[in-house]
Amino acid sequence: DVKVTQSSRYLVKRTGEKVFLECVQDMDHENMFWYRQDPGLGLRLIYFSYDVKMKEKGDIPEGYSVSREKKERFSLILESASTNQTSMYLCASSLPGGGVRTDTQYFGPGTRLTVL
Amino acid sequence: GEDVEQSLFLSVREGDSSVINCTYTDSSSTYLYWYKQEPGAGLQLLTYIFSNMDMKQDQRLTVLLNKKDKHLSLRIADTQTGDSAIYFCAESIDQGGKLIFGQGTELSVKP
Repeated sequence: DVKVTQSSRYLVKRTGEKVFLECVQDMDHENMFWYRQDPGLGLRLIYFSYDVKMKEKGDIPEGYSVSREKKERFSLILESASTNQTSMYLCASSLPGGGVRTDTQYFGPGTRLTVL
Repeated sequence: GEDVEQSLFLSVREGDSSVINCTYTDSSSTYLYWYKQEPGAGLQLLTYIFSNMDMKQDQRLTVLLNKKDKHLSLRIADTQTGDSAIYFCAESIDQGGKLIFGQGTELSVKP
């Protein structure tokens, strides 16, 4: 069964703190993604990775960085958390699409981060 | 750029059919997806349709794709209270794995 796990369901941090969100998948997927979800805005892509040590900026990378040292793990880092980063963060993974293979992404349960 | 649009809310009565609509802009999309998000949870894949198909049926779910109008819909027959959730449509824009998601439609099912 497909499994994507995230390190915390709920997290409360203070402004200026460094925050690490961890995501692990057990499906040997090459692609991994970090999104944030805000009401009325849907999912917005922060960063994604096609392979170990590779990363690409998504639509809203400012204030975030990522790390992918192992294939199964993709970390999102908030270098200095701010209140406008209060949000739901979702991690996903997928196999590379192409031909008859879909780009189906499999999601973790999400981390609701509150920055005070 | 690529864009996917959905209305934000839909309310139906239990037992009725629900139709959730989505429009997209990228005509080169290969697959289009419907995901469901229950409260406090991540997104689960409901179904997908390949871009050369017009319709796909899966039990209570029917997906219709109008490529000319770039319009995708999800019909849920005999809607139940357990169908209350946020529904996202998404399109593949290239073969590199990125999906573009709509804003999500919150479906409320009243008994």
